[in-house]
Amino acid sequence: AQSVTQLGSHVSVSEGALVLLRCNYSSSVPPYLFWYVQYPNQGLQLLLKYTSAATLVKGINGFEAEFKKSETSFHLTKPSAHMSDAAEYFCAVSDGGGNTGKLIFGQGTTLQVKP
Amino acid sequence: KAGVTQTPRYLIKTRGQQVTLSCSPISGHRSVSWYQQTPGQGLQFLFEYFSETQRNKGNFPGRFSGRQFSNSRSEMNVSTLELGDSALYLCASRGQGYNYGYTFGSGTRLTVV
Repeated sequence: AQSVTQLGSHVSVSEGALVLLRCNYSSSVPPYLFWYVQYPNQGLQLLLKYTSAATLVKGINGFEAEFKKSETSFHLTKPSAHMSDAAEYFCAVSDGGGNTGKLIFGQGTTLQVKP
Repeated sequence: KAGVTQTPRYLIKTRGQQVTLSCSPISGHRSVSWYQQTPGQGLQFLFEYFSETQRNKGNFPGRFSGRQFSNSRSEMNVSTLELGDSALYLCASRGQGYNYGYTFGSGTRLTVV
């Protein structure tokens, strides 16, 4: 069965510093992986997705993630944090490949950005 | 292009009552999935509908049910509400093809008192 582990429930960085949010997955089939962001009292917004094309995926708001099969990882990075990046971030894997509407989510990582 | 619309945004219900939540997907999207989000359990999959048929179901009791109409709009129903059903309920729609992501609505915040 597919699963996702996000390392670190809280991450704190200074404005302008590198953001690194970690995600490891377990999947019995080639995975489809996603990163979502959630602001308070809102739904989930898709940042980026990996669907077996390029291993380095660029998303919105300057975020990117690299798929590393050997490490079963899909870490999210941003070179320079902005105050507006403070939110909760979720990594997810599509259960059973791409032809399903079921996503398995990690527990989330809250990103704090200090001025 | 309109996003995924969920109504209502907030609901307060009494234990034992039932509730119906609505989700209108992005135009042209035929797949609609529902998720429950709580602080303790995180985001959990409830069910998925595609062309009016339930295609997948999560590990929730039978009190949780759903349906999808011919225009792809979906509803979920929770009967005999319990305090533990208090949560943010999120709906997501998806287009055809493996490269399509899942677009989420803003959710319905259900509080059971």
